[in-house]
Amino acid sequence: QKEVEQDPGPLSVPEGAIVSLNCTYSNSAFQYFMWYRQYSRKGPELLMYTYSSGNKEDGRFTAQVDKSSKYISLFIRDSQPSDSATYLCAMDSSYKLIFGSGTRLLVRP
Amino acid sequence: NAGVTQTPKFRVLKTGQSMTLLCAQDMNHEYMYWYRQDPGMGLRLIHYSVGEGTTAKGEVPDGYNVSRLKKQNFLLGLESAAPSQTSVYFCGTQGAGWSYDEQFFGPGTRLTVL
Repeated sequence: QKEVEQDPGPLSVPEGAIVSLNCTYSNSAFQYFMWYRQYSRKGPELLMYTYSSGNKEDGRFTAQVDKSSKYISLFIRDSQPSDSATYLCAMDSSYKLIFGSGTRLLVRP
Repeated sequence: NAGVTQTPKFRVLKTGQSMTLLCAQDMNHEYMYWYRQDPGMGLRLIHYSVGEGTTAKGEVPDGYNVSRLKKQNFLLGLESAAPSQTSVYFCGTQGAGWSYDEQFFGPGTRLTVL
């Protein structure tokens, strides 16, 4: 079993939709939870990070962490075609990031 | 990708050849790391460094060596390349205190081993 599981998609939504991206994990020691956006043939870009449980909002993006369920989510409101990318979740384990496999998102105009 | 550069951007090797990938940063970050990304998979940690002169193994270190003789550079070496090492390699850096407010990845090196 992988430490971090993420549905690969692809996820296709119309412009303006609310997008929900999710990851589950098995290691209860994880404390930091990250979401990255990766455009094709580019390096990952950190979108948001959360420490421990709770919510964090940044513009159209909201990250949620439920440590009791070992489940994290990223919500994108009013999705735009420019949001089309692969979204990677990652978790921190003693200076090492453990990544999910990524979810491809396509926002149709 | 601000402040993190990777050299080269592309490379094709034959099985058994050697090469070195260079990651350079100008942000004075303590932490540097090398990841590989294969199709349909997330990034997997190869080696990392928590400061000048230090290195440590990550999740998939076999077949790779690293060095961090200078704080701003982190080198990844392949002594005898194998087709299984065909991948996209990303270097990353992180600021003091393992701050996620200062974390960046380079643009990647696409390596093909024939």
